[in-house]
Amino acid sequence: AQTVTQSQPEMSVQEAETVTLSCTYDTSESDYYLFWYKQPPSRQMILVIRQEAYKQQNATENRFSVNFQKAAKSFSLKISDSQLGDAAMYFCAYRSRPDYGGATNKLIFGTGTLLAVQP
Amino acid sequence: DTGVSQDPRHKITKRGQNVTFRCDPISEHNRLYWYRQTLGQGPEFLTYFQNEAQLEKSRLLSDRFSAERPKGSFSTLEIQRTEQGDSAMYLCASSLIGYKGNTEAFFGQGTRLTVV
Repeated sequence: AQTVTQSQPEMSVQEAETVTLSCTYDTSESDYYLFWYKQPPSRQMILVIRQEAYKQQNATENRFSVNFQKAAKSFSLKISDSQLGDAAMYFCAYRSRPDYGGATNKLIFGTGTLLAVQP
Repeated sequence: DTGVSQDPRHKITKRGQNVTFRCDPISEHNRLYWYRQTLGQGPEFLTYFQNEAQLEKSRLLSDRFSAERPKGSFSTLEIQRTEQGDSAMYLCASSLIGYKGNTEAFFGQGTRLTVV
C-alpha cells in the first residue's frame, strides 16, 4: 500500500520570503501522480501543483515549484515570495496510474503542514 | 457551474441519530468521491462512484454508512446511529474520467459533523 508522510506539522515564513514544505512517500509503483493541495481555513481544498512521475522535469506554477526526487521518494514544495494569502494547510497527495477504466484513482494524503505567513 | 457544493456545511447531532449529507458535483463530472478528514489528519478515502455505480468502498465505511448517487448526478452519504467517533469533516470531490484519462479532483467545502 502507498503511504505519504509530511513530517512538518507547522511552518512559518515571513512575507516575501521563500519556504519549503517536505513530503516523502512510499510506493512500489513506477508510474503515478503527486500533488500538493492547499486548504485555507473554512474553505475548500484546491490543487496547487501536480507532478507526473514519469516526467523528470520539476513542475512549476508561478510562485510554486516542486523538487521531485523519484529515487529518494521525495516531493517538496517551494513557495517563493510568500504572500499572506498563502497561509493555509498544505497536503501532499499520491495517486496511482492508470487513470482510465476501472482504476479507483483515489488520493492518498499526508497529515498536512500548517503554514503561517508573518507580515 | 460554480464547483462542487456540499450541504449542510455544519451538522450537530446527538449520538444515535441518523444524518444525511448531500454533494452536488461539477455537472459534467462522472466521478464522485467521498473522503473523511479528522482533526490533525489528512483526508481518507471512503467510497467513489462512476456515474451512478458505486465501484469501491473503503473498510473505513462501516455498515452504518451508506452512499448513493441516483442518476449519476448528486450524491448522498447517510450515517445511521451516529457515534462520537463519526465526528469529522466529510469531503466530496468530483472529476472527469474519459479516454484522455482522469482530471484533477475538485473538492467541495465539506460538511463538518459533530456528534454530541
